[in-house]
Amino acid sequence: GPKVLQIPSHQIIDMGQMVTLNCDPVSNHLYFYWYKQILGQQMEFLVNFYNGKVMEKSKLFKDQFSVERPDGSYFTLKIQPTALEDSAVYFCASSWKGSQNTLYFGAGTRLSVL
Amino acid sequence: TQTVSQSDAHVTVFEGDSVELRCNYSYGGSIYLSWYIQHHGHGLQFLLKYYSGNPVVQGVNGFEAEFSKSDSSFHLRKASVHWSDSAVYFCAVSARYNQGKLIFGQGTKLSIKP
Repeated sequence: GPKVLQIPSHQIIDMGQMVTLNCDPVSNHLYFYWYKQILGQQMEFLVNFYNGKVMEKSKLFKDQFSVERPDGSYFTLKIQPTALEDSAVYFCASSWKGSQNTLYFGAGTRLSVL
Repeated sequence: TQTVSQSDAHVTVFEGDSVELRCNYSYGGSIYLSWYIQHHGHGLQFLLKYYSGNPVVQGVNGFEAEFSKSDSSFHLRKASVHWSDSAVYFCAVSARYNQGKLIFGQGTKLSIKP
């Protein structure tokens, strides 16, 4: 079936540095999402993105976070600067306009902030 | 506040057994309820969803779920499990006005014994 690709699968970074997580969503999808899962905890909504704009963001989406999808390329999550509590698995997802609540997820990027 | 509760962190059954994975939610308003499956090392995959109509919905691979408004539940069932059903199962709720913002339960790990 349709696949969402996330690159890289694992990223190790020093606290205070910038990191960009990349997501290649399903080609005809229009809605894009990032979710965060800390080890052993529930997956939590971070942000959704449509038509070039952030539609909604949760309280977990700190000022250091930003998202974009320039010219239909990767949908990215940037964290600048990173903090220790940003260590988690970040899942990208996408959905199409006719079925917004059926999300297609990537396999996740494990971010380790040292 | 929307909440989703999966009371069983881990369920173990034998291959060929039936299984029920429990999900209870708390939300006031029109919602979508869904189930996702996550095999180890992969992203979440959509199984099924409910919005209205017949409270029993069918999904892929023989899974079904039943909505109960009185119990605020959306339990997932399968009549005869296969070893390939071993995975973590997530129940999720989303509001009608923001369908892609999923609130997830903690997940239930289903283990199948041969």
